[in-house]
This record gives sequence, C-alpha cells and structure tokens, in this order.
Amino acid sequence: GQQLNQSPQSMFIQEGEDVSMNCTSSSIFNTWLWYKQDPGEGPVLLIALYKAGELTSNGRLTAQFGITRKDSFLNISASIPSDVGIYFCAGRSYSGAGSYQLTFGKGTKLSVIP
Amino acid sequence: SAVISQKPSRDICQRGTSLTIQCQVDSQVTMMFWYRQQPGQSLTLIATANQGSEATYESGFVIDKFPISRPNLTFSTLTVSNMSPEDSSIYLCSVAPSGGASDTQYFGPGTRLTVL
Repeated sequence: GQQLNQSPQSMFIQEGEDVSMNCTSSSIFNTWLWYKQDPGEGPVLLIALYKAGELTSNGRLTAQFGITRKDSFLNISASIPSDVGIYFCAGRSYSGAGSYQLTFGKGTKLSVIP
Repeated sequence: SAVISQKPSRDICQRGTSLTIQCQVDSQVTMMFWYRQQPGQSLTLIATANQGSEATYESGFVIDKFPISRPNLTFSTLTVSNMSPEDSSIYLCSVAPSGGASDTQYFGPGTRLTVL
C-alpha cells in the first residue's frame, strides 16, 4: 500500500523558534492535509492543500503541496507553548469505486521549551 | 466543517466482551470512516461506513470483528467484538462532508478503549 515518510519523528525547540516538518512519498496524492492531535483528542485539521505547488497559510502555519505531488512541508513560525502536540500529514488519493482514502504519516511530536 | 461527537469517550472492558461506539454528526455527510490509533502510533483506516449498504473494510480488518452500521447520513456505529488486550486503542470516526475529489476529512474526539 501507499506509505508516507514523515520527518522528523520528534522535535524539541525553544519558544519563539521556527519549526519545519515534511512528508514524502513514492506515490502521487490529490490532496495533502496537515493535522494536529493533542493528548486525548482527535486530530484537528490545520491546513488542506489541493493543487501541486500550492502554498497556504493559516496564522503562523504555512504548508506547501510539492510540485511533484509526492511531498509536502509544514512550517510553524515563532513557536509558542500551545504548539505542543503531534502533527500528522495525510495524503488523499483515489482508492477506487468512487472513494478517496487518506494515508497518514507516523507523526512529528513537537515539544516547546518555554 | 462538521461537528462530530462520539460515545463513549472512553471505556475499560473485559476480554471476550463487545463494545459499540457511536458517532454522531451535526449535518448530513456523504462519507464516514472509522480509524484505529494504537498507543503512540498513527491512524489506520478500518473501514468506510456506507449509508444503506455494507461497510467497505481495509486489508486486515473483517466484518465479524468490527461490524459497522450506517442507518442514515448523520450516524454510524462501530462494534469491537470479542475483545482482547490487543484491541486497546483509540477509535476515531471521521467524515468527508461532500465526498468529492477535493474533500477533506474531519475527526471526532475519539473513544479510548482499554481491554483487560
């Protein structure tokens, strides 16, 4: 099946620093999504990307859909303590019979040191 | 986006029993999905809950173990049958409101299941 390689697996950063994480795949995706999951909660959608090359921002978050449709990155600027959590990338592709399936990366665990 | 609730939020169950998890959406949605997230792991799709027909299961998941109902466009249930400790996970439902090519998925808060 399809696989997403998400890196880094974990990060420890100082408050105020910028963060960058990425996902790569050998498969092409129609959509790239970035989610954040807090402990005990379901993933919350941060940014959705629909076109190759698309660059989208949501506050301090910026994400890009790679031009080859096989990768995406997420940047967080000026990190704050509430940015702590696990960030997942997900790629959406056609899985047949009119349905689309999400494939998830393994997540990047972000820790922010005040 | 859709507002999604799940019941129960958590449960502790005995080996060999079954648990039914409910997922309720505040609007009609085309596609509903059930995922499993084992401790410290990523999300794995169990099945797509199809309204009015049988669910479509992913490789490694079978209907006898994870029966799913989808009686209407706002509600679905997932049953974890004959549970063992290996079934201890977070179970999440998600929805794709329009079900189209560019649609995104929104997740419920999850049900944290511990099997003793």
